Parts: sequence; structure tokens; C-alpha cells
Amino acid sequence: EAQVTQNPRYLITVTGKKLTVTCSQNMNHEYMSWYRQDPGLGLRQIYYSMNVEATDKGDVPEGYKVSRKEKRNFPLILESPSPNQTSLYFCASSSQRGARPTTDTQYFGPGTRLTVL
Amino acid sequence: AQTVTQSQPEMSVQEAETVTLSCTYDTSESDYYLFWYKQPPSRQMILVIRQEAYKQQNATENRFSVNFQKAAKSFSLKISDSQLGDAAMYFCAYRKGTSGSRLTFGEGTQLTVNP
Repeated sequence: EAQVTQNPRYLITVTGKKLTVTCSQNMNHEYMSWYRQDPGLGLRQIYYSMNVEATDKGDVPEGYKVSRKEKRNFPLILESPSPNQTSLYFCASSSQRGARPTTDTQYFGPGTRLTVL
Repeated sequence: AQTVTQSQPEMSVQEAETVTLSCTYDTSESDYYLFWYKQPPSRQMILVIRQEAYKQQNATENRFSVNFQKAAKSFSLKISDSQLGDAAMYFCAYRKGTSGSRLTFGEGTQLTVNP
């Protein structure tokens, strides 16, 4: 089954304790992205990756890091989490190959609810 | 920068009735895509419908249809014969046509379906 997986689904942590949220896709997609969802703000992009070893900032990258060492994985790293990073996080992926509109649909993971105390 | 605005934070509809959710966007691009995503209480993001800007015909998916007004930069979603399972947060989203472009989301509209 084609899917994007995220782990953990729920996480409660304390300020300053480094954490990683994993994201993996099994569709051989080139493009992967992280979003955060906050009430009244919709979803905002944090970082994205066009392919292995190619990442770039989105709209709200402060306080986050990413890496893309393998095509299928795109972990989100919070090295020193703060309470303002309490949010719902989504990973998404899409293909950059083939005819349009195939390349235009982003597949979302199930979300990770993060609470930073 | 592109922006997407959903001016209705909440909407409600009676079961079996029709409801329209509004979305406006701002862009200087000519090649782009517009989407409606549904987010039920499970929080999963589900693609409802997609519209390519170069297509004049409005997209339709079963009970879901859009009214795409390119000149007015308006992209509304019509849900016909509303069902209890349609209750969810609905997000309008925009994406440039170039490869690797991000999705820009609106604030969301919470839809309630009353039995």
C-alpha cells in the first residue's frame, strides 16, 4: 500500500530535550516536505527536499532541522524544542516525474501531535 | 508571495442539503493548481478535488464540485447532498505549476453537518 508514515504519532516532551520525528514514504517520491498546522493559520511549510541531499527552507524553518540521506526518509529534528513548537506536524511527499497532474498530488502522513512543556 | 484566504471559519449545513465553502487566492502566476483538502477528526489530510488553472472546466468528483473563477481568483467548493461523514475541517490550497513548489494553505473552514 502506498503510504507516508510518521513516528511517533503523539509526543509530549519538555523544553530543550532534542527530538526527532521520522517520516518515510514507499512511493519512490523525489519531493518531501514538512508542515506544521496551528489553529487559524492552516498548514505552513517548514522545510522541503527535492531529492537526496537537497533540502531548503520553507516558510517557518526557525528551530527545525532536516536531512535527506535516503530517498524514502525525511526526518524532522528539533534540537532544542520550545513551547511555541507545540503543534500538529505533517510530512508529505509527491512525485516529480511523469506527466502532469501525476506530479501535483501531495500525499500526507497521518500527522504527529507534539506538545512541548 | 501567494496567499490563500478562507473567510468562513465555520459553516453548518443540514444533512442532504448543499453547502458552498469559499476560497480566494492571490497570485501573479499563470500556471498553478488549486486543491481542496478535507481533515476529519482523525486529522488525516484527504485530497477532495483538484483544479488545474489552465483548464476552464470546473472539476467535479461525485458530490463535490468547484466553481473556479480565474479572473476573480476565486475557488469555491460545493458539497451536494451533504452527509454526516462530510463533517470536517476543509482547507483550500494553492500550488505553483513549477516542479517542487510548496502548497500554500488557507486558514480552514470547519464544516458541521446537522442530522
